[in-house]
Amino acid sequence: EPEVTQTPSHQVTQMGQEVILRCVPISNHLYFYWYRQILGQKVEFLVSFYNNEISEKSEIFDDQFSVERPDGSNFTLKIRSTKLEDSAMYFCASRADTSHQPQHFGDGTRLSIL
Amino acid sequence: DAKTTQPNSMESNEEEPVHLPCNHSTISGTDYIHWYRQLPSQGPEYVIHGLTSNVNNRMASLAIAEDRKSSTLILHRATLRDAAVYYCILRDGMNYGGSQGNLIFGKGTKLSVKP
Repeated sequence: EPEVTQTPSHQVTQMGQEVILRCVPISNHLYFYWYRQILGQKVEFLVSFYNNEISEKSEIFDDQFSVERPDGSNFTLKIRSTKLEDSAMYFCASRADTSHQPQHFGDGTRLSIL
Repeated sequence: DAKTTQPNSMESNEEEPVHLPCNHSTISGTDYIHWYRQLPSQGPEYVIHGLTSNVNNRMASLAIAEDRKSSTLILHRATLRDAAVYYCILRDGMNYGGSQGNLIFGKGTKLSVKP
């Protein structure tokens, strides 16, 4: 069964450094998402991406964040200058066309900011 | 999106059925009821979804009340691997623009399964 894959599984970065989290969505999916989950808290929506542009973003997704689909397979989340509070699990998800179809999630990248 | 209400936690014995309730009294006519679960240290996992009729798949069954104001996720025989947080989420099936389907997670129901 096709799945969403995320790399790396764990990223440790110094505060202030840039970090790029990578995702390979399911190949025929058209909608892509990033979510985050701070330890012990709810899963929070960050951004959705469709047709090579951001379609919606939450208040969390400020100017420090950006997303890109650099080729036909990868979907990346960049945090330009990391802060301690960016430490969290980051989940990528994708779904096929038609909005009632389910999203499929990767197993996440644990980001630790020192 | 309409809000859902779930119990914070539930317990079950292994190999017994589990009924996880969800109330959504403000559901609109085009809202689909989605269930996801999150096992420890993993990403959310799609379980099942439906609109009006009861639904079955290899993982679970979804029973939807006739007035659609509540639903129940049924695990027919709980295993230790089913211990997870279960989320009931409504998604507007007619919303092709706007939010593009992002999911709003609540706290869900933490299911514990005893051997």
